[in-house]
Amino acid sequence: GAVVSQHPSRVICKSGTSVKIECRSLDFQATTMFWYRQFPKQSLMLMATSNEGSKATYEQGVEKDKFLINHASLTLSTLTVTSAHPEDSSFYICSATTRAGREQFFGPGTRLTVL
Amino acid sequence: AQSVTQLGSHVSVSEGALVLLRCNYSSSVPPYLFWYVQYPNQGLQLLLKYTTGATLVKGINGFEAEFKKSETSFHLTKPSAHMSDAAEYFCAVTYYGGSQGNLIFGKGTKLSVKP
Repeated sequence: GAVVSQHPSRVICKSGTSVKIECRSLDFQATTMFWYRQFPKQSLMLMATSNEGSKATYEQGVEKDKFLINHASLTLSTLTVTSAHPEDSSFYICSATTRAGREQFFGPGTRLTVL
Repeated sequence: AQSVTQLGSHVSVSEGALVLLRCNYSSSVPPYLFWYVQYPNQGLQLLLKYTTGATLVKGINGFEAEFKKSETSFHLTKPSAHMSDAAEYFCAVTYYGGSQGNLIFGKGTKLSVKP
């Protein structure tokens, strides 16, 4: 149980385009989902926290207009990188937790490369 | 404020040798502590966690960690390394009652296992 999936696992796009990444909790209802960004050989940096049905809370320094997060249902959250630039290239990881849980379940990550 | 320090960005051991990955934390309230493993281009997998109770925690793949409050440490050990243990390991901390978004990660330790 407690499986989180991400789609796509890898995406390459041209500069200026938008990319949508999906995060799904497959066998549980995720009241809260988190989006992280990981640069090569570095740790995870929390970008934002999203609760189902409400606006995401962004960490300081994260542009909410550039990284659009939607958590429309208890099993799906999406991260859209708008007008992507090469500096947005990174590994994006989502995680999810239930209302009662204190453990985050992580997705497998999405490798974004912007040319 | 909470923080996590992982001593040694890279640890190399021989197959069959003891694995010791160090983690020290700083927290003004009782912490919840986690160890995660990340294989290349994959998400994080929970190895073990400490919340309350027994301070010696056993996890998957033969790993264990001991919470030592007096030393503010949560070092990860495994008696005998296996080639498949080669990966990146992250220590993380949060606290009871805290938002799961407050999961603070260390910078990670890359474990190499030599044949």
